[in-house]
Amino acid sequence: SQTIHQWPATLVQPVGSPLSLECTVEGTSNPNLYWYRQAAGRGLQLLFYSVGIGQISSEVPQNLSASRPQDRQFILSSKKLLLSDSGFYLCAWSNRSPDTQYFGPGTRLTVL
Amino acid sequence: AQSVSQHNHHVILSEAASLELGCNYSYGGTVNLFWYVQYPGQHLQLLLKYFSGDPLVKGIKGFEAEFIKSKFSFNLRKPSVQWSDTAEYFCAGGAAGNKLTFGGGTRVLVKP
Repeated sequence: SQTIHQWPATLVQPVGSPLSLECTVEGTSNPNLYWYRQAAGRGLQLLFYSVGIGQISSEVPQNLSASRPQDRQFILSSKKLLLSDSGFYLCAWSNRSPDTQYFGPGTRLTVL
Repeated sequence: AQSVSQHNHHVILSEAASLELGCNYSYGGTVNLFWYVQYPGQHLQLLLKYFSGDPLVKGIKGFEAEFIKSKFSFNLRKPSVQWSDTAEYFCAGGAAGNKLTFGGGTRVLVKP
């Protein structure tokens, strides 16, 4: 069966520090991968999605970037965190789009 | 641009009451529609989905949703809620070949 992992679960970082959040999927090949930010009352905002290795689409201009170095690995990064980057970040995968997406446990990021 | 809107941000009701959460989408043509649920401290998980066929879709835990094409709606219903239905509910949709778009979510609190 397929599983999706995210780490770390929680992270507290100072403003201006770098960020790296990792997401890995097991049990499937060539999945579509997604990064979302979930904010209270604002639902899920799609940040990035990828249909294959090295293929990244950015949905909103921001301080973050994403990379997909391997088929089932998706990384969310920043060179310098801002206070506004605080939030709950979710990774998801699907076989195609639009199709059922399966979500990871999320990372709670606090930037101080 | 495709959009999904949920009418209620917060719903409070008592056990055994009936629940209906509204969801409207903005695009025509073939569309895939989903309802996800996030219980406190848990992953987002799929409640039900509609791709085609019978417009009345039954999901897990006694939930159902009805696709009404003429109204661009996909409302979620449950005849009698339980305290364990306390959660945040997200509607999502996507036209063929496009990404999923999520609504802003509805927080449901069921009082025992």
